[in-house]
Amino acid sequence: GAVVSQHPSRVICKSGTSVKIECRSLDFQATTMFWYRQFPKQSLMLMATSNEGSKATYEQGVEKDKFLINHASLTLSTLTVTSAHPEDSSFYICSAAGDRGSSEQYFGPGTRLTVT
Amino acid sequence: SQKIEQNSEALNIQEGKTATLTCNYTNYSPAYLQWYRQDPGRGPVFLLLIRENEKEKRKERLKVTFDTTLKQSLFHITASQPADSATYLCALGSWGKFQFGAGTQVVVTP
Repeated sequence: GAVVSQHPSRVICKSGTSVKIECRSLDFQATTMFWYRQFPKQSLMLMATSNEGSKATYEQGVEKDKFLINHASLTLSTLTVTSAHPEDSSFYICSAAGDRGSSEQYFGPGTRLTVT
Repeated sequence: SQKIEQNSEALNIQEGKTATLTCNYTNYSPAYLQWYRQDPGRGPVFLLLIRENEKEKRKERLKVTFDTTLKQSLFHITASQPADSATYLCALGSWGKFQFGAGTQVVVTP
C-alpha cells in the first residue's frame, strides 16, 4: 500500500504558540488529503478535506482560522494549529487519496499534540 | 443525524477462535464500507473495503459482510492470534468522504 508520513510524531508546545504538522505522501501523488482529530477512545473526527491547489473544505464546527491547512503540492499538506490551547491537545492524523472521490485512503502515523 | 455504532466493550477472545465485530449505522447510505486496524498511538491501517453491491469480502483470515438492508457490517477474524490484538474501526464512505465508528478493541489471549 501507499506510504504516508507525518512530522513531527509528537510535539509539546506552550499555550498561545502555533504548531505546524506536515503530511507527506511518499510514493504517490495525493490529489486529496484529509485531516482528522482523535481523542482517547473516540472515533476519528474529520476536520477538513484539502485538494491540491485549492482551499480546504472544513467540517462544521472546525474553525478555519485556527486550523490552517495548506495543500501546496501533490505530496505535501500542512496543518497549522494557531494560538494553541490545552483543549487542542489531541492526536492529529492525516490521510491521502489518489483521486477525488476515491474509496481508498492511506493514513499517516499520527501526531500527538500536547499543549501546556 | 448519521450515526455509526461499534461495540464499545472490548472483545476478549482465546487464540485460535473467531472474533466477530459489528458495525451498525443509521441515516446513511454509504457507497462503501471499510475496516481498519489501529494500534495505540498509531494511525489506522486499511484492511478491507466492501462496496454497497457486495455481500461478502475475504482477505486471508479476514471476512467482511455488508447488509445494506440491516445497515450492518460484520467483521470476522478467523484463527485469531495474539498479534491480532488491536482496535478495529469501521468507516463508511461516499464520494471520498469517510465517517468513522469509535472502534472495538480486540484482545486475543494465548
